[in-house]
Amino acid sequence: DQQVKQNSPSLSVQEGRISILNCDYTNSMFDYFLWYKKYPAEGPTFLISISSIKDKNEDGRFTVFLNKSAKHLSLHIVPSQPGDSAVYFCAAHNTNAGKSTFGDGTTLTVKP
Amino acid sequence: DTGVSQDPRHKITKRGQNVTFRCDPISEHNRLYWYRQTLGQGPEFLTYFQNEAQLEKSRLLSDRFSAERPKGSFSTLEIQRTEQGDSAMYLCASSELAGGQYFGPGTRLLVL
Repeated sequence: DQQVKQNSPSLSVQEGRISILNCDYTNSMFDYFLWYKKYPAEGPTFLISISSIKDKNEDGRFTVFLNKSAKHLSLHIVPSQPGDSAVYFCAAHNTNAGKSTFGDGTTLTVKP
Repeated sequence: DTGVSQDPRHKITKRGQNVTFRCDPISEHNRLYWYRQTLGQGPEFLTYFQNEAQLEKSRLLSDRFSAERPKGSFSTLEIQRTEQGDSAMYLCASSELAGGQYFGPGTRLLVL
């Protein structure tokens, strides 16, 4: 039973355009959602997060949207840059249990 | 403090041997997490500590796995009688009580 799903294993976008990465979850106990970026041979790097009481959080080129009724969140990157090419993981956090559940990742390729 | 560090970065061992990994978190972070990641999947939660207390342990963690955080600072993860299925990247992360987790570079384990 995979509680956090990233249904697109890969995404290719032209430089300057918008990248939209999607994530779905099933457990209503998750109260915090996070996006991480991972380069090869490195650990994931925290990017941006959103509390379940909000529907949008923006940080520079990165915006995360949360639709609680649909149990869906997305990460928008605009404009996309070649340096954004990496694997992006969505994670859902249950503060009471103290643990995060990760999706399997989406590989983003931004073409120059 | 330059972030979360893990040692060793790589470990090759023979089946049946014991291995121990170390994680040094960001110094002011109360929480410390261990994850396991295999190719094509997201990090899989193993266990977490708040200060020196181990508060949550995954059901996936067999009795051969044990983790400690004796003084609420660094942590060790020991795997006894390693099996080939234990081959994976073992990631450590730390966080403040609320907020994103900061990951170390991981220890890649190969069990022959």
